[in-house]
Amino acid sequence: NAGVTQTPKFRVLKTGQSMTLLCAQDMNHEYMYWYRQDPGMGLRLIHYSVGEGTTAKGEVPDGYNVSRLKKQNFLLGLESAAPSQTSVYFCASSGQERGRDEQYFGPGTRLTVT
Amino acid sequence: SQKIEQNSEALNIQEGKTATLTCNYTNYSPAYLQWYRQDPGRGPVFLLLIRENEKEKRKERLKVTFDTTLKQSLFHITASQPADSATYLCALPSGGYQKVTFGTGTKLQVIP
Repeated sequence: NAGVTQTPKFRVLKTGQSMTLLCAQDMNHEYMYWYRQDPGMGLRLIHYSVGEGTTAKGEVPDGYNVSRLKKQNFLLGLESAAPSQTSVYFCASSGQERGRDEQYFGPGTRLTVT
Repeated sequence: SQKIEQNSEALNIQEGKTATLTCNYTNYSPAYLQWYRQDPGRGPVFLLLIRENEKEKRKERLKVTFDTTLKQSLFHITASQPADSATYLCALPSGGYQKVTFGTGTKLQVIP
């Protein structure tokens, strides 16, 4: 099993450009998450999904959109990138066993917006 | 929403000693609490989960305690090794069981 994979690993964007980050998991997990991690801020939840075709806002959703058309994939889109979106983005997934929601993380995408 | 506090200062300890990291929360007592390890340039890795009715949980050299009266969890690494050097994050459920909130983490450095 590959677990959780993310593409790309690195990306540099100019302000106003758009891009999509792809997350894939092969563990048949229902729940998937997108986080951003900034120095001193910890992991902050952007959006999440509790199943195929569903999405919900997290703590910092502004400027991002997501889609979960297939159970194994969770896409994070930036329509018009801003320097404030420079960060490391992590995708995670978890099963649906209540009371044991450990999350499995991908390796991260380092995004720089100039 | 839950506020989580972890010591933001790095913790330096000598190899072989026991490292103790703290996770404090301020609001409602969660049904469980998780601990993760994060190495530089990598995603967090799950280590342990402790439920509200468990006082203590062990896994090899790791021990976690959960005190719902103090609203605190302690994470211990006994006989610490340089390979234990990493950032350790605690996480608590927020908004039901669908998601968790992470603390900012404590960086542990084990000195040979």
